[in-house]
Amino acid sequence: ILNVEQSPQSLHVQEGDSTNFTCSFPSSNFYALHWYRWETAKSPEALFVMTLNGDEKKKGRISATLNTKEGYSYLYIKGSQPEDSATYLCASQGSTGANNLFFGTGTRLTVIP
Amino acid sequence: KAGVTQTPRYLIKTRGQQVTLSCSPISGHRSVSWYQQTPGQGLQFLFEYFSETQRNKGNFPGRFSGRQFSNSRSEMNVSTLELGDSALYLCASSKDPSGANVLTFGAGSRLTVL
Repeated sequence: ILNVEQSPQSLHVQEGDSTNFTCSFPSSNFYALHWYRWETAKSPEALFVMTLNGDEKKKGRISATLNTKEGYSYLYIKGSQPEDSATYLCASQGSTGANNLFFGTGTRLTVIP
Repeated sequence: KAGVTQTPRYLIKTRGQQVTLSCSPISGHRSVSWYQQTPGQGLQFLFEYFSETQRNKGNFPGRFSGRQFSNSRSEMNVSTLELGDSALYLCASSKDPSGANVLTFGAGSRLTVL
C-alpha cells in the first residue's frame, strides 16, 4: 500500500487567480504519478501521467511537475476559470507498473466568478 | 468512440443481499480495473482483470469478486452486503495491464445498502 497525501483538501480562489496543489507519495517503489480531474456528476478525467524525475507536463493553463527523489508532485493552474472547479486527484503507481493505482483523497477546487 | 459504460448507475439493496455491477470498456481496451470510493476516502483499488484473468487484487474481503469475459466486459459482485459497502464503484479501462497507462473511467455505479 502506498500512502498518497494531497494538500490542501479544498480551496476557493477568485477567477483569474493562479493556484497550485501538492501531492506527496513514497519515493521508493515508484513507477508513475497520475493526475486526474473529477468534475461533479462526471467521470474522473486523466490530465497527466509522469514517470521521470524532473518531468514537467502542460495542458493549456494546467501544468504539473514531478520530483521522484523527494516524492512530490505539484499541479499548477494559471488564471483559474469557473470551469476549472473540480476535485483534482493524484495517484501513485507502484514499481511493478501494474494498473493498481493508489489515490490521494483529492483537492477540491472552487473558482469564484 | 464510446466511453466506459457502467450499469446500473444507481441501485439500492438491503443488508445480506448480493449485487452485480457491469463495466464495458472502451473498444480495444483489454484491462479493466475496479475502484471503490466511500466518503472521506480516496479511490480504493479492488481488482484488475486482463485477458479474463485477475492480475491484481486490493485489500478487500472475499465477498468482493469479479470476472472478465472474452469481449473484455467485466462484472464485479458483492455478496452478503453490509452497510459499509455503500459506495461509488468506478471501473476504468486501459489498453495494457501495465505501464504508464492513462486510465479511462466510467461514470460509476452508486450502491446504497440499507
